[in-house]
Amino acid sequence: GENVEQHPSTLSVQEGDSAVIKCTYSDSASNYFPWYKQELGKGPQLIIDIRSNVGEKKDQRIAVTLNKTAKHFSLHITETQPEDSAVYFCAATFSGSARQLTFGSGTQLTVLP
Amino acid sequence: DAGITQSPRHKVTETGTPVTLRCHQTENHRYMYWYRQDPGHGLRLIHYSYGVKDTDKGEVSDGYSVSRSKTEDFLLTLESATSSQTSVYFCAISESRERTPEQYFGPGTRLTVT
Repeated sequence: GENVEQHPSTLSVQEGDSAVIKCTYSDSASNYFPWYKQELGKGPQLIIDIRSNVGEKKDQRIAVTLNKTAKHFSLHITETQPEDSAVYFCAATFSGSARQLTFGSGTQLTVLP
Repeated sequence: DAGITQSPRHKVTETGTPVTLRCHQTENHRYMYWYRQDPGHGLRLIHYSYGVKDTDKGEVSDGYSVSRSKTEDFLLTLESATSSQTSVYFCAISESRERTPEQYFGPGTRLTVT
């Protein structure tokens, strides 16, 4: 069935460094790829997304890249700050279920001061 | 934040009892979803709704039922709770237009089945 794999499961970086989280998906017809940030005790918050007709999208310190040929997409956070510490989830829609998201298993990002 | 509330926020119940979780939205969005979140599994879709009285199953629907009698409310029922249903449950909403597939999540309900 549909599958989204996310790596790494944990990531620690020094404040000011960059962080990269990678996801791969199984359905070549997938066309929408959101990223969520979840802080402890809260619901996931949509932070950035990308459509299949775009290769890269930026929003201040965060960016997402998509490689359709390789079926993978990545989240890049530059100049990390302690408040970036959270669990990050990638997701993808799959053909035949345009409204349903399949999520990766999450990455715990810790930004060390 | 999207206008989504979930109730109750925390619940402890015993095995075999029925449980109903409520999701309420003030955004008038057409689509509503129920997910469960467990360590190592991310979020998994239980059921979703694409309109009043229109629902469909997700990846992990066994043991759950849903109802949507009004646009703003989506109920998730565990007919006879089991320990394997101990989880954090999230509701999400999405607009109706094809160009806006973004899903926005509520604050969650932590359910413990003893």
